[in-house]
Amino acid sequence: GAVVSQHPSWVICKSGTSVKIECRSLDFQATTMFWYRQFPKQSLMLMATSNEGSKATYEQGVEKDKFLINHASLTLSTLTVTSAHPEDSSFYICSARTGAPETQYFGPGTRLLVL
Amino acid sequence: AQSVSQHNHHVILSEAASLELGCNYSYGGTVNLFWYVQYPGQHLQLLLKYFSGDPLVKGIKGFEAEFIKSKFSFNLRKPSVQWSDTAEYFCAVNETNAGKSTFGDGTTLTVKP
Repeated sequence: GAVVSQHPSWVICKSGTSVKIECRSLDFQATTMFWYRQFPKQSLMLMATSNEGSKATYEQGVEKDKFLINHASLTLSTLTVTSAHPEDSSFYICSARTGAPETQYFGPGTRLLVL
Repeated sequence: AQSVSQHNHHVILSEAASLELGCNYSYGGTVNLFWYVQYPGQHLQLLLKYFSGDPLVKGIKGFEAEFIKSKFSFNLRKPSVQWSDTAEYFCAVNETNAGKSTFGDGTTLTVKP
């Protein structure tokens, strides 16, 4: 089956630093990748849709200058949390979408803790 | 905008009990429907999906779901749960060809041995 990886799985950083999270589709090409945020005991909140070679589409309320998304290739998308603050601490999950019939495959998530 | 509602936030069952988790959505157009499961400490996995055809969909691990268009529902069922089914279950809907999915708030299932 389709596999999506994320790196790192855990990151702890100081407030004010930037953190980059990678999302890779390992055995398929994904023209579209999605970035979600999941708070404890809550559902996934879509942050942005990332299309290869174009600018990401951000959901309402998500700061695009805060959460930089780059989808440089058909197998890699990156999310950079810039100038991270404690309120950015969360579980970030990416997914990659295959073609028709379209299905999303999810990465294992990255837990970010900002001190 | 579409929304997805999962009525049961926490369900507690004994092993061998039957399970039904509700999912309703609000979009009136053509949709694709999904159920995902998140086991403790693991990532989201696809349980089953509906795109078209037979509205009764069978997924992995004995799960099935029925799409009832008139009720905008896609309820998840399993005739006999096991302790290993303890997990968080998410219903998701996307408009055909729209790409992004909307997730329900999730239902925590606890199965007592």
